[in-house]
Amino acid sequence: GAGVSQSPSNKVTEKGKDVELRCDPISGHTALYWYRQSLGQGLEFLIYFQGNSAPDKSGLPSDRFSAERTGGSVSTLTIQRTQQEDSAVYLCASSPGPREETQYFGPGTRLLVL
Amino acid sequence: SQQGEEDPQALSIQEGENATMNCSYKTSINNLQWYRQNSGRGLVHLILIRSNEREKHSGRLRVTLDTSKKSSSLLITASRAADTASYFCATGGNQGGKLIFGQGTELSVKP
Repeated sequence: GAGVSQSPSNKVTEKGKDVELRCDPISGHTALYWYRQSLGQGLEFLIYFQGNSAPDKSGLPSDRFSAERTGGSVSTLTIQRTQQEDSAVYLCASSPGPREETQYFGPGTRLLVL
Repeated sequence: SQQGEEDPQALSIQEGENATMNCSYKTSINNLQWYRQNSGRGLVHLILIRSNEREKHSGRLRVTLDTSKKSSSLLITASRAADTASYFCATGGNQGGKLIFGQGTELSVKP
């Protein structure tokens, strides 16, 4: 079956521009996660959506970062006024539900801010 | 913030040898998972061990968990060149679904 997909695969942007990263979870998965992987910080949790509950935004590093999940499926992570330190691989994962601990990861979006 | 540490940071072995990676964590957990990552892209789930389990096997993988020491180990037996990847431990369950990852071990298996 289809796995988690993310787009774009790679994104190069200029400092100060906004970017949108997209995640399509596995069909039927109610939980969706965003993580960031960078050289200095390793793998960091950003945000977690579960069904219709309020998302857990505790990992978002600043108010320039936001995410939404429409219709309980596709999610978009938006970074406003990008900075060079935002350069990283952004990984999305989904799981069947809150009691299913295993997460299924997408291939990631590699973001480079010049 | 990272949950804990993994060691070694890098490990280089010959095909056929066993590879052991260790993970330590800081807080109480419901489960501990190991993931594999090739070429800095998506992670693949390998194995999950719950806090009330001490050892688990899956194929050539063996995972142990010592909650008193807050540590886990992943053993890959009879390694293959295709096992070359980065391996991460991640703790979950107490944090509302999110995983907290270790720093990872970069494994290189030489043919």
